[in-house]
Amino acid sequence: DIQLTQSPSFLSASVGDRVTITCRASQGVNTFLAWYQQKPLRAPKLLIYSASILQSGVPSRFSGSGSGTEFSLTISSLQPEDFATYYCQQNGFPPTFGGGTTVEIK
Amino acid sequence: EMQLLESGGGLVKPGESLRLSCLASGSTISGLTFSSYTMTWVRQIPGKGLEWVSSISSSNNYIYHADSLKGRFTISRDNAKNLLYLQMDSLRVEDSGLYYCATEVSGRLYTLWGQGTPVTVSS
Repeated sequence: DIQLTQSPSFLSASVGDRVTITCRASQGVNTFLAWYQQKPLRAPKLLIYSASILQSGVPSRFSGSGSGTEFSLTISSLQPEDFATYYCQQNGFPPTFGGGTTVEIK
Repeated sequence: EMQLLESGGGLVKPGESLRLSCLASGSTISGLTFSSYTMTWVRQIPGKGLEWVSSISSSNNYIYHADSLKGRFTISRDNAKNLLYLQMDSLRVEDSGLYYCATEVSGRLYTLWGQGTPVTVSS
């Protein structure tokens, strides 16, 4: 199975900061890479798929990039509602998820 | 609006069984209903993150399970009742976690999730 390694595992940031999370795949996944946001006691929510395409309704401050084995999720200006845990997922078979990155308020 | 509601989780001893259910209601903005979707179970294990468990196609034609489950779990669905199931046998302590059902689109992307049902396996 393809392993996804996210970094950092935790980050502290302030409202208005630009934040970047990295996801590295153990083997190439082309652009079959998605990002999810999970808030406490809530189910994950799909943010981005195909590495860079925003799911409908997701604010434009979120962006994704990358291909092959290196991917990133960027939040251009962190908002209070963005403090959450973010997971990458490769949607090959079998699908696998990264370990998550928790964005905390500084 | 389509919604998913899991049930059936609980506290069991190692080696015991549980059957989880996921009831779908409503339809999506595009008019799709439960029977239109491939459905998936994903679990969240504390300290281990999210893990794909099993998927079943809309018409029961294709069923996939994670190899790590070694045949202990079985997914099924009843489109007439808008129900998805996960039969879990020979449960282990490491199966403890929160089990979500989710709709799958465009090849293993999970767009609609339930709220999850907790499973605790402990002696």
